[in-house]
Amino acid sequence: DIQMTQSPSTLSASVGDRVTITCRASQSISSWLAWYQQKPGKAPKLLIYKVSSLETGVPSRFSGSGSGTEFTLTISSLQPDDFATYYCQQYNSYPLTFGGGTKVEMK
Amino acid sequence: EVHLVESGGDLVQPGGSLRLSCAASGFTLSSYWMTWVRQAPGKGLEWVANIKQDGSLKQYVDSVKGRFTISRDNAKNSLYLQMSSLRAEDTAVYYCATTARGYGDIDSWGQGTLVTVSS
Repeated sequence: DIQMTQSPSTLSASVGDRVTITCRASQSISSWLAWYQQKPGKAPKLLIYKVSSLETGVPSRFSGSGSGTEFTLTISSLQPDDFATYYCQQYNSYPLTFGGGTKVEMK
Repeated sequence: EVHLVESGGDLVQPGGSLRLSCAASGFTLSSYWMTWVRQAPGKGLEWVANIKQDGSLKQYVDSVKGRFTISRDNAKNSLYLQMSSLRAEDTAVYYCATTARGYGDIDSWGQGTLVTVSS
């Protein structure tokens, strides 16, 4: 199975900050990586697929990059609505696996 | 607009069985791969199973193989997860979801249904 490791597990930031979350895969997953946002008590929401493709309706302050085994999610200017938990997910091979999550909290 | 509504979650004893359902609307179910993802209380996301558009291909995470069965009825716009030999570690919110692009990125999610396995 491919293990996905996110860092940090918690991130404290302020509105307007540039935020970067890292996701590492235990082996190459090519470009088969997605990012999700989840708020408490709600279902996850797809933000980015195939490393850097923005899902319809997702603000352009979200961006993704990387390839192979190392990937990043960047929020260029953190907004109040962005405080949430973020997960990466690989879909290169079964079983599909998620990272452990990064909680972005208010500083 | 894709709309997914799960039902069937309940409190069940260890070793028991449960069938989850997912009612789909707003899209043609037969065109989409479908997925179940679960989340234990306070924990991260875990993919459980996938099923191809015509039901001919199914994939499962190892921890549920032989105990869970994913199925679909495209005529009834419904997805199912039959769960048996339930364990305490199966306690989670179960989400029904679509993978419209067919590659494994999960683009639409239901609101989830809670399964609690406890005596």
